[in-house]
Amino acid sequence: GAVVSQHPSWVICKSGTSVKIECRSLDFQATTMFWYRQFPKQSLMLMATSNEGSKATYEQGVEKDKFLINHASLTLSTLTVTSAHPEDSSFYICSARATGTAEAFFGQGTRLTVV
Amino acid sequence: EDQVTQSPEALRLQEGESSSLNCSYTVSGLRGLFWYRQDPGKGPEFLFTLYSAGEEKEKERLKATLTKKESFLHITAPKPEDSATYLCAVQGPTFGRGTSLIVHP
Repeated sequence: GAVVSQHPSWVICKSGTSVKIECRSLDFQATTMFWYRQFPKQSLMLMATSNEGSKATYEQGVEKDKFLINHASLTLSTLTVTSAHPEDSSFYICSARATGTAEAFFGQGTRLTVV
Repeated sequence: EDQVTQSPEALRLQEGESSSLNCSYTVSGLRGLFWYRQDPGKGPEFLFTLYSAGEEKEKERLKATLTKKESFLHITAPKPEDSATYLCAVQGPTFGRGTSLIVHP
């Protein structure tokens, strides 16, 4: 089956610093990747959609300058949380979809804690 | 705007007690309805894709069905290891809020 690897699985950072999260499709080419945020006992909140080689499309209310998304290759997308603050603490999950397919496969998620 | 509503929000079953989870959807042209399983602290795990009314798919104790307005995830003789949150989504992707299933031994 399709495997998506997300790294790191957890990270603790100081307020004001930046954190980068990687999402890799290991056995398929992901033309589209999605980034989600999930609060405890809540469903997935789509933050942005990125297509390889193009700028990401952000959902309403998501700050582009704070959550930088790069999708430079068909197997890698990164999410950088810039100048992180405690309210950015959350579970971040990526998913990836191959060309011509409908299914998206998820990474393991990254638990971000900003102290 | 695509919409997905899942019910019930939470479901408690005894081991072996079969039941169904519901996913109602509104889309302008369905290009796929997806079921995922999510365990606490992990990313969702893909289960099924359904494309057209009348389609059914099975995996172990799970069977997903689709009509023009809703999908059901039937769980037959569940075991404690089936405890998880089950998420439904349509293209977009647009996710429902999920059904939290707990199966007691």
